[in-house]
Order: sequence, then C-alpha cells, then structure tokens
Amino acid sequence: GENVEQHPSTLSVQEGDSAVIKCTYSDSASNYFPWYKQELGKGPQLIIDIRSNVGEKKDQRIAVTLNKTAKHFSLHITETQPEDSAVYFCAASIGAGGTSYGKLTFGQGTILTVHP
Amino acid sequence: GAGVSQTPSNKVTEKGKYVELRCDPISGHTALYWYRQSLGQGPEFLIYFQGTGAADDSGLPNDRFFAVRPEGSVSTLKIQRTERGDSAVYLCASGAGRWGDGYTFGSGTRLTVV
Repeated sequence: GENVEQHPSTLSVQEGDSAVIKCTYSDSASNYFPWYKQELGKGPQLIIDIRSNVGEKKDQRIAVTLNKTAKHFSLHITETQPEDSAVYFCAASIGAGGTSYGKLTFGQGTILTVHP
Repeated sequence: GAGVSQTPSNKVTEKGKYVELRCDPISGHTALYWYRQSLGQGPEFLIYFQGTGAADDSGLPNDRFFAVRPEGSVSTLKIQRTERGDSAVYLCASGAGRWGDGYTFGSGTRLTVV
C-alpha cells in the first residue's frame, strides 16, 4: 500500500519568514495530493491540493509543488503569521482509474510554530 | 447542516464496554469516511461508504469494529469489547465526489478507554 513520509516533524519560524514542508510517497499510482491544517481540538481542514497533471498550484500565501518523477511534493507558506501555527498534514490518494475513491494516506504531521 | 457533526465530542468508557460513535455528514454528500487519529500521528483510514454500502472496510483493525450507514446519511461506528489501545480521536469526513478532493472532516470524537 501507499506510504507517505513527511519532514520536518517540527518547524519554528519568525513571523514574515517562509516555511516549507516536504513529503514523499511510495505508490506511483497516487494522483491526488491534499494538504490539511489541524488546530487543537479540531478536525483537519483542507488548505490546498494538487493533482498529478500539474506541477504547481498557488493560493495567496500558500503554494504546493509536485515532482512525480521523484515522488515528492512540498507545501510552501510565505509571509507566515502567528495564526498559521498549527499541525500540517500531507496526504496522497489514488483517484479515478485506480480505486476511484478518496482513501487518503496521511503523513505523520509537522508542528509549525510562527513566533511574533 | 453546515458541516460534519460528530457526537459525542468526548467519550470515556471502561475496558470491555461497547461504544457507538455517530457522524452526521454534510447534507447530500454520498461519500463518508471514518479515520482514527492517535496522539501525534496522522489520521489512519478505517472505512469508506458510498451511499449505504461499505465500499472499503480494509482499514478496520479487527472484528470488534463495525460501521453502518443504513439510510445513506448518518453513520455509526461501533466498537465492541473496547481495549485501552482503542483510545484515539475518531474522525468522520464526508464528500460530494468520488475522489478524495475537498472532503470535509468533523471535529472528531475523543475516545478514552480506562
């Protein structure tokens, strides 16, 4: 089955700096890669996702890049703010053409702390 | 409703007891998923429903775990003869499409087995 590795496990940055979180996956059939933000006591919230037919996607201060050949994808947060502090999870799944549903395999998570 | 609702938010039970965890998905969402999240870990897949049927239950750890979705909306996760190792946050998510994209998680039920 799919295996997703996420690094680093903790990341501490100053407000205004950039933060980068990296994930690798094992199953070359995976074609959907979402990122989730989880705050204490809440469920994961989707913040951005990318499909295997594109290499990069941006949404304001957040961007995701995908390298299918190397089987890794990254989350980039620019101009970090204290409210970005949370646990971030990457995930991978196989969509249409494979098992055609949204079973996600998650990474282990990154605790991001943004210091004012 | 506006989001995925899970009840109870917290459940403490004694080892060996039976528990039921409830999930109310977003209205109209046909896909429903259960995940389990242990402390400091990412969520792990348990079971997926498309409509009323369990399309994939490969993540259920053993036969003490069972889930139903009789009318294609509300789902109940049932755990028999609970063990201390079952302690975790149980997350439910629902989605409109057949892909994993955009599905919405609830806040979870924190189960503690003492």
